[in-house]
Amino acid sequence: SQTIHQWPATLVQPVGSPLSLECTVEGTSNPNLYWYRQAAGRGLQLLFYSVGIGQISSEVPQNLSASRPQDRQFILSSKKLLLSDSGFYLCAWTANYGYTFGSGTRLTVV
Amino acid sequence: GDSVTQMEGPVTLSEEAFLTINCTYTATGYPSLFWYVQYPGEGLQLLLKATKADDKGSNKGFEATYRKETTSFHLEKGSVQVSDSAVYFCALEGDSSYKLIFGSGTRLLVRP
Repeated sequence: SQTIHQWPATLVQPVGSPLSLECTVEGTSNPNLYWYRQAAGRGLQLLFYSVGIGQISSEVPQNLSASRPQDRQFILSSKKLLLSDSGFYLCAWTANYGYTFGSGTRLTVV
Repeated sequence: GDSVTQMEGPVTLSEEAFLTINCTYTATGYPSLFWYVQYPGEGLQLLLKATKADDKGSNKGFEATYRKETTSFHLEKGSVQVSDSAVYFCALEGDSSYKLIFGSGTRLLVRP
């Protein structure tokens, strides 16, 4: 069966610190992978998507970057976090069966 | 570009009331349309979908009909329950796109 793992579930980081959120998918190959962010009181914003290893498309200019070092691994990073990076980050994938979302990471930058 | 517009919340209803959450979209071609639900403290779950005009998606008593003439995909339920309290997101995937585009979400609060 297809599953998606996202960790950590909760993260509190100081301003200026680095960030690395990881997402892995099991049970499928060559999925499309996505990072979304949900800021407090707001909707879901697509940050990055990837259709293959090393292929990253950025939807909005920001303080974050994404990488896909392996087919089923998608990483969201930042060199220096800003207060405005706080939010709920969701990883998702799709192949032939519709979109599946991870359980999310709640990031609080203090 | 493609976009989704949802009615703003929060929507507060009494149990067994009728629910409508409006959703309209802008897209070229024939997008697929979705409703996702986010229960408190959880991630997103697919509630229902429709892939072509006049299709009706349904699940758990919720329904939505793909109306191309009005570019709408309104969510309805005849009798809401307290357990339906959640945030509901309308979304589309363009027919030539790899991306799922979401509306801003509508928070539903059902009171006993």
